[in-house]
Amino acid sequence: ELKVEQNPLFLSMQEGKNYTIYCNYSTTSDRLYWYRQDPGKSLESLFVLLSNGAVKQEGRLMASLDTKARLSTLHITAAVHDLSATYFCAVDIYFGNEKLTFGTGTRLTIIP
Amino acid sequence: GAGVSQTPSNKVTEKGKYVELRCDPISGHTALYWYRQSLGQGPEFLIYFQGTGAADDSGLPNDRFFAVRPEGSVSTLKIQRTERGDSAVYLCASSLVGPAKNIQYFGAGTRLSVL
Repeated sequence: ELKVEQNPLFLSMQEGKNYTIYCNYSTTSDRLYWYRQDPGKSLESLFVLLSNGAVKQEGRLMASLDTKARLSTLHITAAVHDLSATYFCAVDIYFGNEKLTFGTGTRLTIIP
Repeated sequence: GAGVSQTPSNKVTEKGKYVELRCDPISGHTALYWYRQSLGQGPEFLIYFQGTGAADDSGLPNDRFFAVRPEGSVSTLKIQRTERGDSAVYLCASSLVGPAKNIQYFGAGTRLSVL
């Protein structure tokens, strides 16, 4: 059974600081997704990582994938308040049936 | 609208009642997924449609849950004899399917409360 774990589960950080969220998964896959969820809202796609060594950046967020280690990271640079949200990673392993298995989420709070 | 639409946005029902939740996917998306998200958790897969057929219903928790997509577009998730433990946000997502990987786009969800 595929398991996806994130850490930390909760993260409170000051504006301007850098931090990294980690996502580990238990079964071989080369497809990993990062989503953002604001309170009471649905999920917004941030990144799709499709191969070992893939790195994608958007603004202050950068995601990377190491399929050998079964690890993805989401790095936040110089955090600002509007990045406060819950971040989920998700993995799918079946080509042709891309059901996603989500991590538990990291609740990120940026303090002014 | 261009996004995935789910109705109703909120549903309050009594234990033992029957409910239907509707999902209208993005036009042209052949794949449709239902997930359930409990408070403080990540979404959990329920069922996947490719066209009109349920390609994978392994996530449905029991036979009280059923979903249809008769014309390959709109889908309805049906829950019989609701229980308090069914309270959650039910999310629908749709995507294209093909050799290239495609993103799942999520609707805003239906918040189901079983009293």
